[in-house]
Amino acid sequence: AQKITQTQPGMFVQEKEAVTLDCTYDTSDQSYGLFWYKQPSSGEMIFLIYQGSYDEQNATEGRYSLNFQKARKSANLVISASQLGDSAMYFCAMREMNRDDKIIFGKGTRLHILP
Amino acid sequence: DSGVTQTPKHLITATGQRVTLRCSPRSGDLSVYWYQQSLDQGLQFLIQYYNGEERAKGNILERFSAQQFPDLHSELNLSSLELGDSALYFCASSVGPGWVSREQFFGPGTRLTVL
Repeated sequence: AQKITQTQPGMFVQEKEAVTLDCTYDTSDQSYGLFWYKQPSSGEMIFLIYQGSYDEQNATEGRYSLNFQKARKSANLVISASQLGDSAMYFCAMREMNRDDKIIFGKGTRLHILP
Repeated sequence: DSGVTQTPKHLITATGQRVTLRCSPRSGDLSVYWYQQSLDQGLQFLIQYYNGEERAKGNILERFSAQQFPDLHSELNLSSLELGDSALYFCASSVGPGWVSREQFFGPGTRLTVL
């Protein structure tokens, strides 16, 4: 079974609009971390935001926020006031803290911001 | 710039050959992780080293091996290369294992093309 599911292979959004990228995860662990990474066309992986399973507040980093719904096992990324530079591939990922140290990635969502 | 360096940036070689990819972690980071990103498999964790010792193993083929040296740089050796090994290989680093640090910082990647 897939541990990280990103159901939107591609999205087109008008510049300055907010966008929500969906992510659901599957784990039986109580202690885990959820991440979002951005991969522009240049290829590098850029860390955006982190949410711990015990964090009560949703994580925010500038224009990025993580809508964490633990009971639904959902960790959606919200980008406010989108910019042309936000066009990239976005990966949701999870680390199960009680297991080995790997990060498991979803298949990604390609976001296109339209001028 | 994440502070993680990888060399070479691009590598083109033939089937059956052996190559070595090199990674220098961020200053102060003791953990190094290797990931493979291919079109069909997505981003997959290969192996992790912590302070010179192998700590976790993922979907790493027997033809692949890695090590972390006393100066903490790491090398990923790929041998008997096949066409399907063509991929982007990322190195990431973090201060320590999962319970010490949360995010991993990714290098720019080495793009391997096997002809």
